[in-house]
Amino acid sequence: EVQLLESGGGLVQPGGSLRLSCAASGFTFSSSAMSWVRQAPGKGLEWVSTITAGGGDTSYADSVKGRFTIFRDNSKNTLHLQMNSLRAEDTAVYYCAKGGLWVSDYWGQGTLVTVSS
Amino acid sequence: QSALTQPASVSGSPGQSITISCTGTSSDIGGYNYVSWYQHYPGKAPKLMIFDVSNRPSGVSNRFSGSKSGNTASLTISGLQADDEADYYCTSYTSRNTRVFGGGTKVTVL
Repeated sequence: EVQLLESGGGLVQPGGSLRLSCAASGFTFSSSAMSWVRQAPGKGLEWVSTITAGGGDTSYADSVKGRFTIFRDNSKNTLHLQMNSLRAEDTAVYYCAKGGLWVSDYWGQGTLVTVSS
Repeated sequence: QSALTQPASVSGSPGQSITISCTGTSSDIGGYNYVSWYQHYPGKAPKLMIFDVSNRPSGVSNRFSGSKSGNTASLTISGLQADDEADYYCTSYTSRNTRVFGGGTKVTVL
């Protein structure tokens, strides 16, 4: 059974940093592209970033480019999202999803990030 | 990258069919057959319902079907049931090597 468990969310001040993690199991993690998708309160889903299976290629939404970094540790079956220079508009539930730019076939339950002073 | 355009809400009675549209441009929906649809209950993990425009993952009811014409993709739910009441999102690959979602459609079963 595919399982994706996000962690690392919480309350952070504007301008601060946070690192999200996603522990994956139930599939060959090192063979799968992975993505982060977020949902702000009362809003729809927004794609954030994608990384290839080997980690050599990444893509970002314009809204986070230069501030967020996606990376992975295939030896630990873990995906990460390093978020710097956080803004109030980054407040959202962040979902880890299995799959790349074409489709995400499994999703985690999400972790809430709140950016507020 | 502008979000794909979906109606905010669609409703239907049990047993009826409804269709949710998702309109983009030639740089996303119109240019690639990488449209997928997700069902999302608030507070839960989104679920993949359709991928590559019209393919259903194993385990998804055949009451759900997808199609595309030009820059518009569509999700049809036939034989509407109470537990189909959820939010539905379309998404597409784009020419900028990114991904874009629709704004979401709330489906209400009357």
